[in-house]
Amino acid sequence: RKEVEQDPGPFNVPEGATVAFNCTYSNSASQSFFWYRQDCRKEPKLLMSVYSSGNEDGRFTAQLNRASQYISLLIRDSKLSDSATYLCVVRGTTSGTYKYIFGTGTRLKVLA
Amino acid sequence: NAGVTQTPKFQVLKTGQSMTLQCAQDMNHEYMSWYRQDPGMGLRLIHYSVGAGITDQGEVPNGYNVSRSTTEDFPLRLLSAAPSQTSVYFCASSYGTGKSEAFFGQGTRLTVV
Repeated sequence: RKEVEQDPGPFNVPEGATVAFNCTYSNSASQSFFWYRQDCRKEPKLLMSVYSSGNEDGRFTAQLNRASQYISLLIRDSKLSDSATYLCVVRGTTSGTYKYIFGTGTRLKVLA
Repeated sequence: NAGVTQTPKFQVLKTGQSMTLQCAQDMNHEYMSWYRQDPGMGLRLIHYSVGAGITDQGEVPNGYNVSRSTTEDFPLRLLSAAPSQTSVYFCASSYGTGKSEAFFGQGTRLTVV
C-alpha cells in the first residue's frame, strides 16, 4: 500500500463547478499536511497547508480527518486557470527526520 | 528573492557519462532533498540532508551520490548515467521542523541516450 494515495483522475469539470479531491495516508504519526499544485512540466508549488481545524483560502477549502487518515481539498467556482495536477503531501518523522511523502497527484481539467 | 536554484534546466547524456546537478538555496534551510518524477509515479525521494555534513538515502538512491558541505548547496551526482535515469529531477528545501512547507527548484529535465 502506498503511504499517500490519491485518485489520479482526470477530473473534467465545467467552469464554475465545485470539485473535491480526497487523499489518504497510512502513517498515523504524520504531523503536517499540504496541498501542492503542479502545472505541466513545472515545479510543485504550495497551494495551502492543511490544519486540524480545517482552513479556507478564497475558493479553496482543505480538511483533515486524523481519525480516518484522510485529507480533502474542495475547489469552488472552478476557473480555467485551476487546471493542473494537485499533489497531496504528508510530512512525518522517520527516525527523527521529517520527510515529505507525495501522492501521485490528481489531474484537474476545467472546461470552458 | 532567488529561493531554490537548480542548474541545468535541460541535459542530454550518453549512457555511462557522469554529471552533477546543482542545487542552491538562500533561505538558510536545514533540510534539502532531491526527487525524481516519472509519469504515473509521483515524486520519489532520492537523497536528503538535514544539515551540512549529514546526508541519507531516500527511496531510490541507487546510481546517485550527494554531499552537503555547506548549508546552501546540495549537488546530486550521477555516477554512470543509464537510460533508466531519464527523468525530471527536483531539488527542494525547507526548515527542519515538521510544519514547514517545501520549496522547489525549477527542475532539471534529464535524458540519457
